[in-house]
Amino acid sequence: SAVISQKPSRDICQRGTSLTIQCQVDSQVTMMFWYRQQPGQSLTLIATANQGSEATYESGFVIDKFPISRPNLTFSTLTVSNMSPEDSSIYLCSVEQVSYNEQFFGPGTRLTVL
Amino acid sequence: RKEVEQDPGPFNVPEGATVAFNCTYSNSASQSFFWYRQDCRKEPKLLMSVYSSGNEDGRFTAQLNRASQYISLLIRDSKLSDSATYLCVVTQRSPDTGRRALTFGSGTRLQVQP
Repeated sequence: SAVISQKPSRDICQRGTSLTIQCQVDSQVTMMFWYRQQPGQSLTLIATANQGSEATYESGFVIDKFPISRPNLTFSTLTVSNMSPEDSSIYLCSVEQVSYNEQFFGPGTRLTVL
Repeated sequence: RKEVEQDPGPFNVPEGATVAFNCTYSNSASQSFFWYRQDCRKEPKLLMSVYSSGNEDGRFTAQLNRASQYISLLIRDSKLSDSATYLCVVTQRSPDTGRRALTFGSGTRLQVQP
């Protein structure tokens, strides 16, 4: 299985600021995704991070609010921009290798916006 | 109607009990089915895939009924360590992006008591 790390593991931020979350995987993977899990809720897909091109966003999520980079096959970043308390959530990176038909999740970044 | 529906629980059962979770999904074009386990403040981890023929892994049995759009998970001889939230997960093509994506149920919480 892939080993995924995320940084930071948690942060407390002020309203109006931005936070960039990093995701690193120990092997080259075909697909990388970013999810959000709000308190007491299940996971919601934000976007698919595409290597070398713009991310593909799901309904309700836009690039201006959640810019994503994926410069290579093992690394991606998600930025939460102009944060408000409603953005308080856990943000999870996940990866998928087609041969495994399974998604592995990073440990998550717990964000609190004051 | 939610795309993937689960009873949130909690299910409180004694050690050694047998417990069953159900899940229904609304999209008949759903392609793959999984049960994930999520411990408190941890990332989700794949428990098992679900196949039409039904499959078993030790104390865990998963079944899929495509006609009724229904998935189940049976846990026999419950252990204290089985206490977690169990997420029903379905893959389908995103109507927004056309890409295959995971859709998560809100989870069923299980608490096994001594």
